[in-house]
Amino acid sequence: GIQVEQSPPDLILQEGANSTLRCNFSDSVNNLQWFHQNPWGQLINLFYIPSGTKQNGRLSATTVATERYSLLYISSSQTTDSGVYFCAVAKGGGGNKLTFGTGTQLKVEL
Amino acid sequence: NAGVMQNPRHLVRRRGQEARLRCSPMKGHSHVYWYRQLPEEGLKFMVYLQKENIIDESGMPKERFSAEFPKEGPSILRIQQVVRGDSAAYFCASSPTRGSMGSGANVLTFGAGSRLTVL
Repeated sequence: GIQVEQSPPDLILQEGANSTLRCNFSDSVNNLQWFHQNPWGQLINLFYIPSGTKQNGRLSATTVATERYSLLYISSSQTTDSGVYFCAVAKGGGGNKLTFGTGTQLKVEL
Repeated sequence: NAGVMQNPRHLVRRRGQEARLRCSPMKGHSHVYWYRQLPEEGLKFMVYLQKENIIDESGMPKERFSAEFPKEGPSILRIQQVVRGDSAAYFCASSPTRGSMGSGANVLTFGAGSRLTVL
């Protein structure tokens, strides 16, 4: 099956700092989504981004499908950004049968 | 829009008992997915259902686990004769479409999860 690798596995930031999270995948996909799992366990969909670039407030994401990677940018980080960020992908015909990466654990400190 | 509703949020069972987890998708969503998050293993797909149909159950354990999404009422994930290894967070998610290329309408929305503890 498709492999999804995320880096870095752990990240500690001071409030106000910027960061870039990376997701590499091993095969062509037509579905890629980024999720944030907050400290209470809730999974929040951040982006549906199989290709191109999107921005939502302090967050933006870019997927280069031909090179099989996606980046999630967090600017001016806040303590509420803490949690685990997951990249999840599906191949053509896979619908929302997503394969999740192992995540990046982010902690934002004051 | 109430979002994806899951209950119970927390469930404790003794080995050998049955666990039933319920999921009501977002209004207007007819595609339901169940995922399991085991400690140290991450999120794994279990099953994909539409009303009255199991579309893909390739992630379901072969025994003791079953899922349904009846014409009326919530989707149910049923675990019979639970064992300690079933302790996990079970997430339900829904989407308005199946998830084809190029459609933002296939964004997957997750519920808050049901956390099963087997004693």
